[in-house]
Amino acid sequence: GDSVTQMEGPVTLSEEAFLTINCTYTATGYPSLFWYVQYPGEGLQLLLKATKADDKGSNKGFEATYRKETTSFHLEKGSVQVSDSAVYFCALKESNTGKLIFGQGTTLQVKP
Amino acid sequence: GAVVSQHPSWVICKSGTSVKIECRSLDFQATTMFWYRQFPKQSLMLMATSNEGSKATYEQGVEKDKFLINHASLTLSTLTVTSAHPEDSSFYICSARVRGGSGSGANVLTFGAGSRLTVL
Repeated sequence: GDSVTQMEGPVTLSEEAFLTINCTYTATGYPSLFWYVQYPGEGLQLLLKATKADDKGSNKGFEATYRKETTSFHLEKGSVQVSDSAVYFCALKESNTGKLIFGQGTTLQVKP
Repeated sequence: GAVVSQHPSWVICKSGTSVKIECRSLDFQATTMFWYRQFPKQSLMLMATSNEGSKATYEQGVEKDKFLINHASLTLSTLTVTSAHPEDSSFYICSARVRGGSGSGANVLTFGAGSRLTVL
């Protein structure tokens, strides 16, 4: 079945550092891809999404590009802040069932 | 925006007892709610899909008699872990799909903050 693999965490960065969280997927068909963020004590929130190859999702300074050739959807941010500390989940939406398949999550810790 | 509330946020119970977790959509109607389970350092695993007024659809390998799901109204779904055992200890998360509407909002999933169950 479809699956999502994320880089293991935790990722620890200093404020204003560049962030990359890798995400790769395996899927039949043409899934939509998502990044969700979970701040401490809160539910998952949709951060950004891309629905087809070469689409770039962006929000709050975060970006991710749907790369069909490398089956990847890496999350990037040019300058992280302490407030970005959270758990980030990469996910795909199966094209045939509509179900969301999640990666294992990557914890980001940003230190001042 | 749409808010999903889960209760309780954490619960500790003795082995053999049953525990009910509630998932409420506070400011919208949800025809479909999803229940996930998350083990430490692992991804969210979809357990079941519940549709208002009908039986839940369980994923392969999930015991429907163990994890009872009820979706009696458009704003409430409950997950009952029956005769809980230590291996049922986990983080349970629900999400809800906004009912009806047009445009991208109709297919947005909103997640609850999760409920941590510890079975002694």
